[in-house]
Amino acid sequence: EDKVVQSPLSLVVHEGDTVTLNCSYEVTNFRSLLWYKQEKKAPTFLFMLTSSGIEKKSGRLSSILDKKELFSILNITATQTGDSAVYLCAFPKTSYDKVIFGPGTSLSVIP
Amino acid sequence: DSGVTQTPKHLITATGQRVTLRCSPRSGDLSVYWYQQSLDQGLQFLIQYYNGEERAKGNILERFSAQQFPDLHSELNLSSLELGDSALYFCASSGTVTSEKLFFGSGTQLSVL
Repeated sequence: EDKVVQSPLSLVVHEGDTVTLNCSYEVTNFRSLLWYKQEKKAPTFLFMLTSSGIEKKSGRLSSILDKKELFSILNITATQTGDSAVYLCAFPKTSYDKVIFGPGTSLSVIP
Repeated sequence: DSGVTQTPKHLITATGQRVTLRCSPRSGDLSVYWYQQSLDQGLQFLIQYYNGEERAKGNILERFSAQQFPDLHSELNLSSLELGDSALYFCASSGTVTSEKLFFGSGTQLSVL
């Protein structure tokens, strides 16, 4: 059975801090790893990683996938209050076209 | 704004009742996915439709059913509601049959009393 663990479950930081969110997985037959940001309601897409070792960057956010050690990390530098959200990692399966979501990490950035 | 529209935003009903949640995907998207999110379960995949046909099924109860209409909007029907069905129900769409990048609606918050 597929299993996704995200850590920490929740963290509170001050503006300007750097945070590292972890996603460990035991998922078979997935096409890629996705990161989503969920503020209040709808998750919004951040990154897609398909190959191990590839680092994706978008402004202050970056992510790495390690397919050997079965984890991904999401880094956010110089955090802002607008970064406060739940961050979800997700795995689109190859066989059934469904996406397995992790439980999420709740990030709160305080001024 | 993701372009995915869900109605209603909130729904309060009693146990044993039946409700219908509606979703309009982004213009041009053929795939519609339904997810259930509760505090203790996270985002759980329920079912996917592609161009009117059921494509994949997840942890969807027999009391729940869905369909996608010719105009590509989708409805999720929940019947014989129980307290444990209270959750946020999301619809998402994508432009392909696969699901690399989903666009989520703002969800329907269902409260069963």
